[in-house]
Amino acid sequence: GAGVSQSPRYKVAKRGQDVALRCDPISGHVSLFWYQQALGQGPEFLTYFQNEAQLDKSGLPSDRFFAERPEGSVSTLKIQRTQQEDSAVYLCASSLGDTGVVREQYFGPGTRLTVT
Amino acid sequence: AQTVTQSQPEMSVQEAETVTLSCTYDTSESNYYLFWYKQPPSRQMILVIRQEAYKQQNATENRFSVNFQKAAKSFSLKISDSQLGDTAMYFCAFMRSNTGTASKLTFGTGTRLQVTL
Repeated sequence: GAGVSQSPRYKVAKRGQDVALRCDPISGHVSLFWYQQALGQGPEFLTYFQNEAQLDKSGLPSDRFFAERPEGSVSTLKIQRTQQEDSAVYLCASSLGDTGVVREQYFGPGTRLTVT
Repeated sequence: AQTVTQSQPEMSVQEAETVTLSCTYDTSESNYYLFWYKQPPSRQMILVIRQEAYKQQNATENRFSVNFQKAAKSFSLKISDSQLGDTAMYFCAFMRSNTGTASKLTFGTGTRLQVTL
């Protein structure tokens, strides 16, 4: 595709609801990252995939957060039993991810999640 | 763990003037990369410039240049001939150098730049 796409762009959830956020990376990009950006802050790392393997999930704030990329392309970030502190913009980024080569991360437009 | 600090929450510059955004970082790594990203109000993060820590020469991309001081762990961004389209949040980011896998970005808190007429 032309760029990284994310859906939905905006999501309002009532506290306690489950949500699923989708990321479509650039075709052929091996690496995929999820970041959380709170209002007025810089993005913070959540998790990283290389193809379908989740190699780093150290940034996930709790076990309510779960991410998958079953076929090594589209990824879904799921948040169970949402809480108000989960309100943020969730950014997805992808890169070619060649081993030993630093590749630019291309970001999607983000999903703004508001928990009421 | 790495930390990135941007001490200027907001900056303003007149069109055609030059502005410098500051960034300091802390790491025990010897090999790493530094980036400046721009995030306009539409929220799509765009890479502005990158610097490899092993390179002494400062990176330059058209009107954008950096002043990389490795010993001081400082990485400032200079924007020359500022344009209205430069209005955005600017994030400094750190990436460690890995072999075999990609690396996450560690971001600062950002500087909001406003370019005025």
